[in-house]
Parts: sequence; structure tokens; C-alpha cells
Amino acid sequence: KQEVTQIPAALSVPEGENLVLNCSFTDSAIYNLQWFRQDPGKGLTSLLLIQSSQREQTSGRLNASLDKSSGRSTLYIAASQPGDSATYLCAVTIGRNTPLVFGKGTRLSVIA
Amino acid sequence: GAGVSQSPSNKVTEKGKDVELRCDPISGHTALYWYRQSLGQGLEFLIYFQGNSAPDKSGLPSDRFSAERTGGSVSTLTIQRTQQEDSAVYLCATGHLSYEQYFGPGTRLTVT
Repeated sequence: KQEVTQIPAALSVPEGENLVLNCSFTDSAIYNLQWFRQDPGKGLTSLLLIQSSQREQTSGRLNASLDKSSGRSTLYIAASQPGDSATYLCAVTIGRNTPLVFGKGTRLSVIA
Repeated sequence: GAGVSQSPSNKVTEKGKDVELRCDPISGHTALYWYRQSLGQGLEFLIYFQGNSAPDKSGLPSDRFSAERTGGSVSTLTIQRTQQEDSAVYLCATGHLSYEQYFGPGTRLTVT
């Protein structure tokens, strides 16, 4: 059974710092990996999707990497801002249009 | 609308009552998923519809839970004889050829 773990569970950083969020999964036979952002009381916003054949994806200040063989992904946030404060969730699928298996998230606070 | 919509946004019900939660998908999306987000449990998959195929019900926690999708569009998740442990945020997501899943804002269910 696929399990996804995110470390740390919570993180507090001063504004302007670069930071890394970690995600690991137990079964390397994934189809893709998706990073989401969730603001309190809100739904999920997709940030980046990495196909299993890809090594990384970038969007603005965000960069996600994937090492499928070791079962790891990282989300790098550059020059963090207070508006980045949210819970970040990592999720994997085993096939196209199949259910996501989620980690429990990392709650990020960026202090001005 | 352009995104996934869900209704109601909040629902408070008494233990033992039945509830219906609605999801309106992004137009043209053939895949539709229901997830549940509980405190301490993270996000868990409930049920998945893909086109006209039989739904994948493997995530439903008990036979009190059911869902249908009419005409490949709107979906309704029904919980019968609600229990306090059913209190959670119920999230709907849809997807198509892009492989990504797009989430609605969720319905917060409170069973008293």
C-alpha cells in the first residue's frame, strides 16, 4: 500500500528565506506526483505536477524535484513571502486519472 | 463556471440524519473523485468515477456512504444515518487529459 510522508509537519521561517519541503513515498511505481497548497478553510490549489519521467518542474519561485527511484520529492520555495503561508500537500498517483494518495502536509508560516 | 463547485459549503446535521453533498465538475472533465479530509487523518480517497465505467468504490468507509454521477456530470455523495465520526471536509476533484486533478472548495460537514 502506497504511503506518503511529509517532513517537517510544520515550519516557521522569516520572510526572504529559501526553504525546502520534503515528501517521500514508499512505492516508487508512481505515475505522477502533484504538489498542492491549501489555505485555512479552503480547497486545494495545484502548484506543480511532475510526471514520472520528469526530474523537476518550475513555476515562478517554486521548484519541485522528483527522484522516483529513491521515492522522494522536494518543493523548493525561493525568497519566501508572508503570502506563502499555507499548508503544502504532496500526493502521488499510480496511473492516469487515478486517485491521489496524500501526505499529511507541511504547515508553513512565513514571518514578516 | 470555470472551476469545480460544491454545495453546500457548510452543513450541520444531527446524528442519524441523511445528508447529500453535491459536486459540479469542470465542463468536459471525465474523471471525478471524492475525498475526505479529517483532523488527524489527512486526505483520504472515497470514490472515483471515470466516464461511463463502473465507479471505484474502494475508499468508501462503510455502506452508509454512496455516490452517483448523473449523465457524466454532476455528482452527489450521500451519507445515511450520519455519525459524529463522519464530521470532516468533503472535497471533490475532477480531471481529464491533463492528468492534474482540480479541487473544489469543499463541504464542511458537522454532525452533532
